[in-house]
Amino acid sequence: EPEVTQTPSHQVTQMGQEVILRCVPISNHLYFYWYRQILGQKVEFLVSFYNNEISEKSEIFDDQFSVERPDGSNFTLKIRSTKLEDSAMYFCASSEEAGAGYEQYFGPGTRLTVT
Amino acid sequence: DAKTTQPTSMDCAEGRAANLPCNHSTISGNEYVYWYRQIHSQGPQYIIHGLKNNETNEMASLIITEDRKSSTLILPHATLRDTAVYYCIVFAGYQKVTFGTGTKLQVIP
Repeated sequence: EPEVTQTPSHQVTQMGQEVILRCVPISNHLYFYWYRQILGQKVEFLVSFYNNEISEKSEIFDDQFSVERPDGSNFTLKIRSTKLEDSAMYFCASSEEAGAGYEQYFGPGTRLTVT
Repeated sequence: DAKTTQPTSMDCAEGRAANLPCNHSTISGNEYVYWYRQIHSQGPQYIIHGLKNNETNEMASLIITEDRKSSTLILPHATLRDTAVYYCIVFAGYQKVTFGTGTKLQVIP
C-alpha cells in the first residue's frame, strides 16, 4: 500500500540554525500539507500546497517557514532560523484531491528538537 | 469547520466492539464526518469517512444518525494495537484538517 514517507525521523539542531524536513508524498497525489504537534498538544495545520503554490497557511507559518517541491517526488519544509518553540513532531500529508470526500494520508513524522 | 464533541477517554475489553461516539450538531449539509486515529506520537492514520450513509471498511464501521448530528465509530473486535487517540473531524471541504483533542481509547487485556 502506498504511503507517505518522511526523513529524517529525528532531527536535533541548535537554536538559530536552518533545518529542512523532507517528505515523499504518495505518487499520484496532487495536494500536500505540513502539520505539527508540540508534545502533549493538538495536531496543528501549517500549510497546504498545490500546483507549486501555497494554497493556504496558518498563523504559525510565518516568514521563518517555507515549502518547496524541488522535484517531482519530494516536498520539503524549511525553517530558516529555528527557535526553541519550534520543537515538535512535524507531519507531512498528501491527498489525491482537496475538499470533502478526499482523505489526507499522513507520514510517520519528523521529531525536531531545538536546543 | 463545525465543532465536534467526543468523550475524553474510554476503555474497551480486548476482543469486544469499541463504540466511539461523536456529536456534531452544527454540521452543514456538505460536510463529511471523518475519523482518524493517532497511536503514540505516530502520524494520524485515516480510518473512515461518510456523508450520510453508514460506511464500512476493513478497519471500522461508521454509523451516522439520520439527522447527521452525531455518529459512532465501531471497531468490531478491538485489539491492544487499537489503543490510540481517536479523532472525529467534520470536514468542511477546505483543505486543512482541524484536529481536536479526540477520545483516548484504552484496550484492556
